Amino acid sequence: GNSVTQMEGPVTLSEEAFLTINCTYTATGYPSLFWYVQYPGEGLQLLLKATKADDKGSNKGFEATYRKETTSFHLEKGSVQVSDSAVYFCALSGYQAGTALIFGKGTTLSVSS
Amino acid sequence: GAGVSQTPSNKVTEKGKYVELRCDPISGHTALYWYRQSLGQGPEFLIYFQGTGAADDSGLPNDRFFAVRPEGSVSTLKIQRTERGDSAVYLCASSPNRDRGDAFFGQGTRLTVV
Repeated sequence: GNSVTQMEGPVTLSEEAFLTINCTYTATGYPSLFWYVQYPGEGLQLLLKATKADDKGSNKGFEATYRKETTSFHLEKGSVQVSDSAVYFCALSGYQAGTALIFGKGTTLSVSS
Repeated sequence: GAGVSQTPSNKVTEKGKYVELRCDPISGHTALYWYRQSLGQGPEFLIYFQGTGAADDSGLPNDRFFAVRPEGSVSTLKIQRTERGDSAVYLCASSPNRDRGDAFFGQGTRLTVV
């Protein structure tokens, strides 16, 4: 079945450091891939998405590229801020409209000034 | 409202009791999902509605769990004979019909079974 594996946390960085959170997936067909973020005390929010191979999703300085050859969707940011401290979830959905999301376990990011 | 609303935000109940959790999706969103998130885990799919009907209930763990969406908007997740293992955050999400996975989540209901 479909599944998502993301790197274990927590990830602790200093402000302005480079961030990578690894995510790999297993899926049949052509899934869409997502990164969701959960800030402290808030609900899950869509951060970025990519719907086909080689697409790059980007938002708020974060980027992730859909790599079908390596079944990966790694999240990157060139310079993190304290306000980026949150839990990040990689997720996929199947090729049919309305298919539910399958999430990874989440990676906690803590950024200090 | 502007977003997905879930009530109550917290619920403490005794083992064996019945509970109902409510979700009010974004107006006009025909797809509605329920997920369960245990501590340290990602959300796990429970059930998906398209309009009034349950299009996929394969994630419901057992027959103690049931959900309805009678008018195609508000949904209620019902748990009978609650067990301590049911303690988790229950998340509701809605999305436009045709989007693949673009889901807007509520803040969840934290259920604690004592």
